[in-house]
Amino acid sequence: DGGITQSPKYLFRKEGQNVTLSCEQNLNHDAMYWYRQDPGQGLRLIYYSQIVNDFQKGDIAEGYSVSREKKESFPLTVTSAQKNPTAFYLCASSYRESYNEQFFGPGTRLTVL
Amino acid sequence: DAKTTQPPSMDCAEGRAANLPCNHSTISGNEYVYWYRQIHSQGPQYIIHGLKNNETNEMASLIITEDRKSSTLILPHATLRDTAVYYCIVAGAGGTSYGKLTFGQGTILTVHP
Repeated sequence: DGGITQSPKYLFRKEGQNVTLSCEQNLNHDAMYWYRQDPGQGLRLIYYSQIVNDFQKGDIAEGYSVSREKKESFPLTVTSAQKNPTAFYLCASSYRESYNEQFFGPGTRLTVL
Repeated sequence: DAKTTQPPSMDCAEGRAANLPCNHSTISGNEYVYWYRQIHSQGPQYIIHGLKNNETNEMASLIITEDRKSSTLILPHATLRDTAVYYCIVAGAGGTSYGKLTFGQGTILTVHP
């Protein structure tokens, strides 16, 4: 079945450590996105990529980095520069012809201790 | 992108129609109305979108007023599995918005037995 995989579902890290969240899709989608969600809040866009080897900052990119070396993969690194990294992180993807019809993964819940 | 206003919460009896309103009085001519929902601790799910005509798919119906300043998402026969946060989003279609969706706080729909 086609879909988006995010791993792991739960992740714990010590403060000051960088951590990389995985996102893989086999939907042959062109664009991929990373969102952050805090408790009781809506989603906020971190980074997005419309094609391989290209990505753009979203609304809250500070303290995060991404890469898009393959069409299927869009890993997100939460760096030690991110002041409050504990959150629910969601990856999504879409076709170029319909950017706003996004398919979301199950999310990774990151807790920084 | 235009801002949207939704009620924070709504209740619905199982088997009855759920009508979720959304105000988007500043919507511009080339902006679409999109609806997503998010079941607790899962990634959001795309439901439906429209420009000015009413739309229907297997999940829901979307009614957009003639002046396009408001819309209503209709779940015709709500079930307990429809309990979720519903997001109304206004965005330009295709390349103009590049998939930069703005998720507000949405409406928490609770379906009761």
